[in-house]
Amino acid sequence: NAGVTQTPKFQVLKTGQSMTLQCAQDMNHEYMSWYRQDPGMGLRLIHYSVGAGITDQGEVPNGYNVSRSTTEDFPLRLLSAAPSQTSVYFCASSYSSQDNQPQHFGDGTRLSIL
Amino acid sequence: GESVGLHLPTLSVQEGDNSIINCAYSNSASDYFIWYKQESGKGPQFIIDIRSNMDKRQGQRVTVLLNKTVKHLSLQIAATQPGDSAVYFCAENTEAAGNKLTFGGGTRVLVKP
Repeated sequence: NAGVTQTPKFQVLKTGQSMTLQCAQDMNHEYMSWYRQDPGMGLRLIHYSVGAGITDQGEVPNGYNVSRSTTEDFPLRLLSAAPSQTSVYFCASSYSSQDNQPQHFGDGTRLSIL
Repeated sequence: GESVGLHLPTLSVQEGDNSIINCAYSNSASDYFIWYKQESGKGPQFIIDIRSNMDKRQGQRVTVLLNKTVKHLSLQIAATQPGDSAVYFCAENTEAAGNKLTFGGGTRVLVKP
């Protein structure tokens, strides 16, 4: 198993551009989520999904969209990039959304907005 | 609970000594806690978890202690090694909230040879 795979690893955007961060997991995990991590801080939840076709907002959803058309993939879209969205983005998954389960993380996408 | 800040607290430890990393959480309803290790340029890596019906859990070289009375969580690393140098995060969750974790601000551990 590759685990949680995120692409790209690095990206630089101009203000106003749009882009999709990809996340895929091959563990047949039900639950997937997106976090952002800013310098010296913990991770903050952007959006999450408890299964294919179901998504919901986390703590900091503004400026981001998600979809979950398959169990494996959970892309994160920036509609109109802003400098405040410069961050490291992590995707995570866990087997179940019903029981408390440890989440498994990808290695992140480092995004800079100029 | 969630802490906010630009500068991570740092724990400097001599190689071979034991490390203790502390975390205070704010939600008394939290019933599940996880410790993650994050190395530079990598995503958080699961270390150990504990549910609120326990006060201690041991893994390989690691022990997590939970004190619900004072809402405190700690991670003990035995015989700290250079490979243990990383940032450590605690995270909390309530089963009622599904799998939405709330992360603490992290502690940097530096192991001195």
